[in-house]
This record gives sequence, structure tokens and C-alpha cells, in this order.
Amino acid sequence: EDQVTQSPEALRLQEGESSSLNCSYTVSGLRGLFWYRQDPGKGPEFLFTLYSAGEEKEKERLKATLTKKESFLHITAPKPEDSATYLCAVQAGGSGGGADGLTFGKGTHLIIQP
Amino acid sequence: NAGVTQTPKFQVLKTGQSMTLQCAQDMNHEYMSWYRQDPGMGLRLIHYSVGAGITDQGEVPNGYNVSRSTTEDFPLRLLSAAPSQTSVYFCASSSFDATEAFFGQGTRLTVV
Repeated sequence: EDQVTQSPEALRLQEGESSSLNCSYTVSGLRGLFWYRQDPGKGPEFLFTLYSAGEEKEKERLKATLTKKESFLHITAPKPEDSATYLCAVQAGGSGGGADGLTFGKGTHLIIQP
Repeated sequence: NAGVTQTPKFQVLKTGQSMTLQCAQDMNHEYMSWYRQDPGMGLRLIHYSVGAGITDQGEVPNGYNVSRSTTEDFPLRLLSAAPSQTSVYFCASSSFDATEAFFGQGTRLTVV
């Protein structure tokens, strides 16, 4: 059974204080690991897809990395608008962008204080 | 380009009532799916479809039916609503060669 565990459950940072969110996973045959951002009352918004250990992707203040057992979402010098819940998901087998089935973690609720 | 559109945004049902949650996408995506999101549980897959006429069950399919008669639409039916189906429901779509799935804005359903 595929499993995704995210830590911490919640994180409060000061503006400019860099940190990392963790996503540990067990999956039989990883096709892709996905990071999404979710704002209150909204649907998940795509951030990154990682496919193989050692891969890294960046977008503004966010950088995602992948190993064989976990992924990290590094947030550098965050701003209050980075406050959101960050979701990690894995896709085992299949094809496409994952709408044929993703296994999600419970998310990390991130608050950036001015 | 509207993306993935879900209707209604909010719904209150009485136990035993039936209803259909609508999901439409205008991106010609082959794959579509339904998730429910509950506090402390994360998003869980209910049903998915890899093309018109093809559907399959996800992790939590009981109490829900789906069909896919067109590429654009993937409705989720609750035949006899139960309080345990109180949740926020999200529809997603992607193409077979895509690197991401697009999500709708969600339907918040309360069953009393």
C-alpha cells in the first residue's frame, strides 16, 4: 500500500526565515512525486513534479528535491503570501499527470508572520 | 479557458437524499478523478476515469457512482447520502502525457 507522510503538520516562521518541509513515501514503483499548494477554500494548485532521485526543481522561493525515500520542499526567505497548506502526493505506475490516481499526504500548514 | 469547473460550490443534503456533483473540463484531458478531503485525512481518491466509457474505483468508492459519457464531463453521484459523506469534494483532470493534474475549486457538501 502506498503511503505518504508529511512533517511537520504545522510550521510557523518569521518572514525571511528559511526552512524545509519533509515528505516521506513508500510506493511500489514511483512514477512521480508531486507538490501542490492549497489556500483556504481553494483547490490544490500545482507546484512541481519530480521523477527520479537527485532531481531538483525551483520556482521563486521554493525548491523541491527528491531522494529514494523522501522529498523536501525548501522555502528560502519566505513572505507572508507563502502562507498555505503544502501537499505532497505520489503516483505509482499509470501515466499522465496523475489524475488517474494520486496518494496524498495530510499536508503541512505553513504560516509566515510579517 | 475555464480549466476544471465544479458545481455546486456548496450543498446541504438530508440523510437519504440523492444528488450529483458536476465536474467539467475544457482542456480535452483523458484522465479525470474525484477526491474527498476531510480534516486530518488528506485527499483520498474516490473514482477515476482514463477516458470516455472507462471508470474505476479508488480508495474510498463506497456510496458513490460515476460515469463518463463524454471527455469533458465526469459527474459524481451520491445515491443515498449519509452524514459520513460530509466532506469537501475535488475533481481533477490531466492528459496522458502531462506532468501535472489540474484541480477544481471544490464542492463543500454537508449531510444532516
